[in-house]
Amino acid sequence: AQSVTQPDARVTVSEGASLQLRCKYSYSATPYLFWYVQYPRQGLQLLLKYYSGDPVVQGVNSFEAEFSKSNSSFHLQKASVHWSDSAVYFCALSPSSNNRIFFGDGTQLVVKP
Amino acid sequence: EAAVTQSPRNKVAVTGGKVTLSCNQTNNHNNMYWYRQDTGHGLRLIHYSYGAGSTEKGDIPDGYKASRPSQENFSLILELATPSQTSVYFCASGDRVNQAPLFGEGTRLSVL
Repeated sequence: AQSVTQPDARVTVSEGASLQLRCKYSYSATPYLFWYVQYPRQGLQLLLKYYSGDPVVQGVNSFEAEFSKSNSSFHLQKASVHWSDSAVYFCALSPSSNNRIFFGDGTQLVVKP
Repeated sequence: EAAVTQSPRNKVAVTGGKVTLSCNQTNNHNNMYWYRQDTGHGLRLIHYSYGAGSTEKGDIPDGYKASRPSQENFSLILELATPSQTSVYFCASGDRVNQAPLFGEGTRLSVL
């Protein structure tokens, strides 16, 4: 069975600080991995995706994520956050064998001015 | 531009009534999905479809039906709405795993 765990329900950081949002997955092979962002009263928007190759993937708005097979992780990072980054962030997984997408429960990011 | 459009955006229904949520995509994607989002549960998959005429049960299909009459349209049907189905519903479309699903803006449903 496959699953995604985001261990932090809420993360608070100061504007200009660096950020890491954690994501752990469970799957027997290397899955397809995604990070989405959801702003209030909006749908989910794709930040970045990983399929294979370079374990560090770049996304929109200076976000990046690093895939680690040994740790079964796909953490999201940003060097310097802005107040507008406040949102809910979802990590997601898709097995290579079908098209279903499995989501974590999300991490609420609060950026303090 | 790729888009997923949901209608209505907001809906108030009465218990026992029938509710139909509609989703249209202009992306020529084969796959479409219906999720509901509740506080503390993240996104949960209700039904999905691999193409016109097909529907598959997701993780929480009870109380819901789905219909995919064409490539572009995917509906979620609540035959007998209950207050427990009060939620925000999201439709998404995708094509193979290499394209991460695109999401609509959501439908807020309140069942009174």
